[in-house]
Amino acid sequence: QTVVTQEPSFSVSPGGTVTLTCGLSSGSVSTSYYPSWYQQTPGQAPRTLIYSTNTRSSGVPDRFSGSILGNKAALTITGAQADDESDYYCVLYMGSGTVVFGGGTKLTVL
Amino acid sequence: QVQLVESGGGLVKPGGSLRLSCAASGFTFSDYYMSWIRQAPGKGLEWVSYISSSGSTIYYADSVKGRFTISRDNAKNSLYLQMNSLRAEDTAVYYCARVGGSSWYSHWGQGTLVTVSS
Repeated sequence: QTVVTQEPSFSVSPGGTVTLTCGLSSGSVSTSYYPSWYQQTPGQAPRTLIYSTNTRSSGVPDRFSGSILGNKAALTITGAQADDESDYYCVLYMGSGTVVFGGGTKLTVL
Repeated sequence: QVQLVESGGGLVKPGGSLRLSCAASGFTFSDYYMSWIRQAPGKGLEWVSYISSSGSTIYYADSVKGRFTISRDNAKNSLYLQMNSLRAEDTAVYYCARVGGSSWYSHWGQGTLVTVSS
């Protein structure tokens, strides 16, 4: 059973920079997993931020960027704003149309 | 603009059935793969099922395999999820999502709540 790991929680100061990561319980994340990232606030549907490792979805500000850092996928938010306070989920593609979601990271801006 | 509107959620007893629908508009539905994704109360997102643009290729999460059936009607621009033998652990908000490429979700509906309880 593949487990996708994310930090359960993270905090960042307004204006600061934070990097959230997305790993595998066994093995390394590479671009071959086509990592994508989603933002969700309570009671709302997810919003697509990043796909295929580092491509921003339409309308997403360039404060959000994706990359591979070491053996994990990463989402970096620069110049954090109050409305960035959300849950962030990564998704890894496992092939044959199947994906696995990470458990999500609750980001606090304070 | 792309719109996905889910319907069909509600309260159902364990062992019961429910059929969810997702009405798509604003794009050529028959060109896109689609998925169902769910979120239990207070929990994270979980991929449920995937269907190719023609409906010929289908995949399910192990947790729903044999109980749920995904389908689509391209003439009606609609996606469906037939859920049978429902369990308490199926309680969740169910989202339909348009698949971008084959590995990510470009657009999401607002979700429909399914509650399985006696």
